[in-house]
Amino acid sequence: SQKIEQNSEALNIQEGKTATLTCNYTNYSPAYLQWYRQDPGRGPVFLLLIRENEKEKRKERLKVTFDTTLKQSLFHITASQPADSATYLCAPSKDGSGNTGKLIFGQGTTLQVKP
Amino acid sequence: EADIYQTPRYLVIGTGKKITLECSQTMGHDKMYWYQQDPGMELHLIHYSYGVNSTEKGDLSSESTVSRIRTEHFPLTLESARPSHTSQYLCASKGQGTGELFFGEGSRLTVL
Repeated sequence: SQKIEQNSEALNIQEGKTATLTCNYTNYSPAYLQWYRQDPGRGPVFLLLIRENEKEKRKERLKVTFDTTLKQSLFHITASQPADSATYLCAPSKDGSGNTGKLIFGQGTTLQVKP
Repeated sequence: EADIYQTPRYLVIGTGKKITLECSQTMGHDKMYWYQQDPGMELHLIHYSYGVNSTEKGDLSSESTVSRIRTEHFPLTLESARPSHTSQYLCASKGQGTGELFFGEGSRLTVL
C-alpha cells in the first residue's frame, strides 16, 4: 500500500542554522508533492509544490528537492527563525495524474528553532 | 488568507447526539475534501467532492456522511456520535489544476 514516512522525532536546531526535513514514499509514483506547515490546533497551510519533472523548487528561505529515483523529498529552511517552529507535513499526490487533488499526508516532523 | 470557514471550532457533546460540522468556501472551488486528524497523527481523507451532487468516500472508513448541494458548502454529519468519533475534522478545497489545498481551521469534536 502507499506509504509516507517522515521523521517522527522532533528536530531541534539553533536559530540561524539550516533545517532539513525528509519525506520518503513507497509503492507508487506521485505526479507532484506538496509541503505544508501546521501549527498546533490549526489547519495546514500550503508552502511549496514540486512536480515529478522538477528536481528543485525555491521560495524565499525554503527549498524543496524531489528525487523520484530515491522516492524522496527534502525540505530545507535556511537561516531558520523561532517563528519557523511548527510541524511540517509532506503530501505527495495520491495518483499519478494529479487530477483528483487527493493527497496522502505524512505524519509530519515537528521543528523547534531555539533562539 | 484562505477563504474557507469551519464551524464550530470546538464541540463537546454526549453520545448518541446528531451533529453537523459546517464548511464553506468563497473561492468558487469545485473540489472539496474532509480530512480527519488525531493528535500527533497524519491526516486521513474521509470524504471528497468534485462538484455539486458529487460525493465520494475517502481512504479512511467513516460513519459520517456529507452532502454537496451548493458549490460553496460541504457539511459533514454524524447521525449518532460516539466517543470513537472524537477527533479533529479538517475541511479543504482546491481550484483547477494541480494546485494547493486550502484548509479551514478545523473542528475539534469531543464525544463524551
